[in-house]
Amino acid sequence: SQTIHQWPATLVQPVGSPLSLECTVEGTSNPNLYWYRQAAGRGLQLLFYSVGIGQISSEVPQNLSASRPQDRQFILSSKKLLLSDSGFYLCAWSVSTDTQYFGPGTRLTVL
Amino acid sequence: SQQGEEDPQALSIQEGENATMNCSYKTSINNLQWYRQNSGRGLVHLILIRSNEREKHSGRLRVTLDTSKKSSSLLITASRAADTASYFCATVPQTYKYIFGTGTRLKVLA
Repeated sequence: SQTIHQWPATLVQPVGSPLSLECTVEGTSNPNLYWYRQAAGRGLQLLFYSVGIGQISSEVPQNLSASRPQDRQFILSSKKLLLSDSGFYLCAWSVSTDTQYFGPGTRLTVL
Repeated sequence: SQQGEEDPQALSIQEGENATMNCSYKTSINNLQWYRQNSGRGLVHLILIRSNEREKHSGRLRVTLDTSKKSSSLLITASRAADTASYFCATVPQTYKYIFGTGTRLKVLA
């Protein structure tokens, strides 16, 4: 069966510090991978998606970037965090445009 | 703006009652999906309805789709306290891009 992992679960970082969130998927090949951000009590904002290794599409201009170094690994990064980067970050995968499967999320607080 | 907008934003009902939430979208779709999110957790897929379907059932869930009105509804029958969560609709207006609505926060009182 397929599983998706995200880490860390929670993170508290100072403004201006770097960020690296990792997502890995097991049990499937060539998944479409997604990063979303969710502000408290709000809907999901699509940040990045990837349909293959090295193929990244960015949806929202910001100081975040994403990379897909391996087929089932998706990384969200920032060189310098802003206060506005705080939120709940969710990774998800799909094999078509049907069901998306979400990871447990990372709660990021930037102080 | 969001492709999907849920209505109402919040809903509070007694256990055993039915809960209905609605979703409106703006562009043509291949399918519409509903997800549930428990507080502080990832989203869980509930049900998918394709554009050529009008109604679909899964257990206590009933989803309808009206493509002429660009709207969908999710009905949860005989609600339980465990149904307390946020519910989101999602559409895919462009290949690979999922657009989620703003969500309905459902609270089921025991």
